[in-house]
Amino acid sequence: QKEVEQDPGPLSVPEGAIVSLNCTYSNSAFQYFMWYRQYSRKGPELLMYTYSSGNKEDGRFTAQVDKSSKYISLFIRDSQPSDSATYLCAIISGGSNYKLTFGKGTLLTVNP
Amino acid sequence: DTEVTQTPKHLVMGMTNKKSLKCEQHMGHRAMYWYKQKAKKPPELMFVYSYEKLSINESVPSRFSPECPNSSLLNLHLHALQPEDSALYLCASSQVGPGLAGTYSYNEQFFGPGTRLTVL
Repeated sequence: QKEVEQDPGPLSVPEGAIVSLNCTYSNSAFQYFMWYRQYSRKGPELLMYTYSSGNKEDGRFTAQVDKSSKYISLFIRDSQPSDSATYLCAIISGGSNYKLTFGKGTLLTVNP
Repeated sequence: DTEVTQTPKHLVMGMTNKKSLKCEQHMGHRAMYWYKQKAKKPPELMFVYSYEKLSINESVPSRFSPECPNSSLLNLHLHALQPEDSALYLCASSQVGPGLAGTYSYNEQFFGPGTRLTVL
């Protein structure tokens, strides 16, 4: 079983839709949970990070962590064409402060 | 300045060539990283430098040779590469480097735009 599982999609939605992106993980030692956005031919940029179960909101983005189910989600409200990108979940274990374990990434297209 | 820059943006090289990738940051970060990313795959960690010393080598072939001349600069020297080494090479930096187990604290990595390498 891979440490982090993420559905690679692709996911195509109309503008204004609510998007839900998800990852599951297997190692309960994982402690920090991140979502990166990567535009085509660019480096990943950090969207959000969280370390506790529950929701964290930043504008149109909400990161959700359920440690009991080992499940993390990213919700995008009122999606825009500019949100079209690959979204990567990434997790760091409690025993490391540098080793990012990435999901495969989900390719999202928001159609105008 | 909250940016990591990488040069060149694109590089095409033959299997017998020697070339170098360059990465620079001016955020005062003391850790710098090289990642390799194949198409439709997540980034894979190659090397970590902490305080200008190589601290992590993820069993990378010796045809990739990293160098950290100072705290702001990171190079990746390439020699005798194979076509399967074609990928996007990403540099990242963070405030601190690998810590001891149990001394973990959140340590954001800032990524550069990458160098797209093609080996013919």
